[in-house]
Amino acid sequence: SAVISQKPSRDICQRGTSLTIQCQVDSQVTMMFWYRQQPGQSLTLIATANQGSEATYESGFVIDKFPISRPNLTFSTLTVSNMSPEDSSIYLCSVGETGPNTEAFFGQGTRLTVV
Amino acid sequence: GIQVEQSPPDLILQEGANSTLRCNFSDSVNNLQWFHQNPWGQLINLFYIPSGTKQNGRLSATTVATERYSLLYISSSQTTDSGVYFCAGVNTGGFKTIFGAGTRLFVKA
Repeated sequence: SAVISQKPSRDICQRGTSLTIQCQVDSQVTMMFWYRQQPGQSLTLIATANQGSEATYESGFVIDKFPISRPNLTFSTLTVSNMSPEDSSIYLCSVGETGPNTEAFFGQGTRLTVV
Repeated sequence: GIQVEQSPPDLILQEGANSTLRCNFSDSVNNLQWFHQNPWGQLINLFYIPSGTKQNGRLSATTVATERYSLLYISSSQTTDSGVYFCAGVNTGGFKTIFGAGTRLFVKA
């Protein structure tokens, strides 16, 4: 299974600022995803990070708010822009492969508090 | 898209008790998985179980894909089993993992 390192593990940020979260994988992977988990809720997919092209966003998420980069097959970043207290959540990076029988793995998450 | 429903939403157990968590999923699903999220927020892979039965220590899981459900069994529960258990799946032909709402488990000493 892939080893996924996510940084930072937690942060407290002022409203109106931006935070960039990094996700590093120890091997090349086809698929990388970013999820948000609001307090007491389940995980919601933000976007699929595509290597060398723009990310594919899910309904309700936009690039201006959550810009994503994926410069290669082992690394991706998610930026939470112009933060408000409603952005306080756990953000998780996930990796997987295409195909019918593959398992998804997750980073340890970034716990973000916006004050 | 697929829908993933979990029950019960909350569960309180006395240490040593057994329990069964259920996951119902719509449409055809590949890559059915069970996760445990610990109090620190880390998501731990428990089982990758598109079909059949698997066991790992006190935990076991069964997926009946034709009837679109999966069960997670916890035997002789311990306080360290507390947390949220998520079921998740990927729709056939897709690649995005969709999560159920979770079962919040608290095991009392």
